Amino acid sequence: EIVMTQSPATLSVSPGERATLSCRASQSLDYNLAWYQQKPGQAPRLLIYGATTRATGIPARFSGSGSGTEFTLTISSLQSEDFAIYYCQQYSNWPRTFGQGTKVEIK
Amino acid sequence: EVQLVEYGGGLVQPGGSLRLSCVTSGFTFSSYAMYWVRQAPGKGLEYVSAISVNGDSTYYGNSVKGRFTISRDNSKNTLYLQMGSLGPADMAVYFCVREASSGSDHWGQGTLVTVSS
Repeated sequence: EIVMTQSPATLSVSPGERATLSCRASQSLDYNLAWYQQKPGQAPRLLIYGATTRATGIPARFSGSGSGTEFTLTISSLQSEDFAIYYCQQYSNWPRTFGQGTKVEIK
Repeated sequence: EVQLVEYGGGLVQPGGSLRLSCVTSGFTFSSYAMYWVRQAPGKGLEYVSAISVNGDSTYYGNSVKGRFTISRDNSKNTLYLQMGSLGPADMAVYFCVREASSGSDHWGQGTLVTVSS
């Protein structure tokens, strides 16, 4: 099973600032990495797939980068609605596995 | 519009069984692998089980292997999860998820399973 490790666990950011979230895989995924956003009481929402491609309707301030085992989600200028928990997930191998999440909170 | 709606959650005693259903619409169900993901209160996302488009391949997380069975009825556009020998560690919101080539692109709203005597 591929282990996904996210860092940091919590990120404190002021509105308007940049947030950078990291995700590391225990083996190469090529580009088979997705990012999800989850708000309290809601299902996760797909933000990024293929490591770099924004899903339908996702604002341009969200961007993904990386390949292989190291990946990054960047939110260029945090808006109030962006404070949430973010998960990475690999879909290179079965079983699919998630990182433990990064909580982005208001500083 | 793609919709996935879970049913069947509720309160069950330790050691008991429960069957979850996920009724889908708005897409060709038989063309997509599907899976169940769960989230315990205040915890992260955990892959539970997956099934291929025609049901001939299934996968299970180590924590549920031998106790849970995933299935699908493509004629009814419905995904199922039969859960047995339930314990406190199984208490969670269970999400039905569609897998596309672009990852898990649609999720249901989730159904809560509570295990308590």
